[in-house]
Amino acid sequence: TQLLEQSPQFLSIQEGENLTVYCNSSSVFSSLQWYRQEPGEGPVLLVTVVTGGEVKKLKRLTFQFGDARKDSSLHITAAQPGDTGLYLCAGAAGGNTGKLIFGQGTTLQVKP
Amino acid sequence: DTGVSQNPRHKITKRGQNVTFRCDPISEHNRLYWYRQTLGQGPEFLTYFQNEAQLEKSRLLSDRFSAERPKGSFSTLEIQRTEQGDSAMYLCASSWTGGFYEQYFGPGTRLTVT
Repeated sequence: TQLLEQSPQFLSIQEGENLTVYCNSSSVFSSLQWYRQEPGEGPVLLVTVVTGGEVKKLKRLTFQFGDARKDSSLHITAAQPGDTGLYLCAGAAGGNTGKLIFGQGTTLQVKP
Repeated sequence: DTGVSQNPRHKITKRGQNVTFRCDPISEHNRLYWYRQTLGQGPEFLTYFQNEAQLEKSRLLSDRFSAERPKGSFSTLEIQRTEQGDSAMYLCASSWTGGFYEQYFGPGTRLTVT
């Protein structure tokens, strides 16, 4: 069974601080997505990483895929209150189904 | 195209009643997925369609759950004889067959079974 574990589960920081969220597995994934979800809404796709060692930047967000494609991290620089939300990592399961295996999420609160 | 839409957004029902949810995917997408999310957890896969064919169902999908995508466009998810444990957010997503499995989610249907 493929599992993704995210850490930390909860993070409360002040505006302007930096943070890193981790997503780990013992399984290899062909690709990994990061989503952000607000209360009462569906997840919104932020980025997809597909190559081991790949780094992608989206403004103040930096995403990295581990060399072995088993883990990933999300780093936010100078967090802002608008970054508050639930961050989810999701890996594409084996085969050609495209179904996603999600981590349990990291709830981020950025205080002004 | 405005993205994936789901209706209703909220549904409150009494235990034992049947409920049906609808999902309209992004029009160019041929794959459609249903997930369930409970509080404090990530979404869990339920089932998916490629065009009108239902290709996989999770063991989470008991016999009380049925999903259809009759013309390869919109999909419905029906829950019969609802139980309190069915209370959750039901999410629909769509994607292309190719690419890297990026899925685009709708806003979800929040089900509360009383």
